Amino acid sequence: ETGVTQTPRHLVMGMTNKKSLKCEQHLGHNAMYWYKQSAKKPLELMFVYNFKEQTENNSVPSRFSPECPNSSHLFLHLHTLQPEDSALYLCASSQTPGQTNEKLFFGSGTQLSVL
Amino acid sequence: DAKTTQPNSMESNEEEPVHLPCNHSTISGTDYIHWYRQLPSQGPEYVIHGLTSNVNNRMASLAIAEDRKSSTLILHRATLRDAAVYYCILSGNFNKFYFGSGTKLNVKP
Repeated sequence: ETGVTQTPRHLVMGMTNKKSLKCEQHLGHNAMYWYKQSAKKPLELMFVYNFKEQTENNSVPSRFSPECPNSSHLFLHLHTLQPEDSALYLCASSQTPGQTNEKLFFGSGTQLSVL
Repeated sequence: DAKTTQPNSMESNEEEPVHLPCNHSTISGTDYIHWYRQLPSQGPEYVIHGLTSNVNNRMASLAIAEDRKSSTLILHRATLRDAAVYYCILSGNFNKFYFGSGTKLNVKP
């Protein structure tokens, strides 16, 4: 248990569906992240939130919409996805934004399949 | 963003030491060197990090070259549970931890 919980663990959705991924951290951290891990590709940083404010959007398509209502919760809203969006979506958190010696704590991820 | 280069895969025997290399020739003076590993069906987990001096913790040791252009993660006695993908990352840019392809470590009984 890393202190970062992601739900659901698995999700299958059609291209016309709308779904949301949830991440919750119990570590008192102030930064949260979404990463995407496609098969046989490196982890891709998608979004960064510091103190609930989005500070990084790594050219992510608008069909992915993040939301960070407070420092402990992070959502990724999904709509009109494509089959190539099928991947493992990982949430992470860290203590203090902007520190280069920060440790990232990851959840176990949501395995998403888009049909 | 500074990049790292790692071998795609390595193999080790159980109970033997493992040295996982990483090259980061474009590292800047403020970049920390981090190592994470990802076990099957899990998110990455922190292993160790350092700036200039060698570092030890209960999981591993990190040896950093004097010019900081390379580093080596050392697992002193590999176990089957150490089979994972190991990532070497530089964290110079605020909050931007970029993962490369990593090294897939296979541990043979």
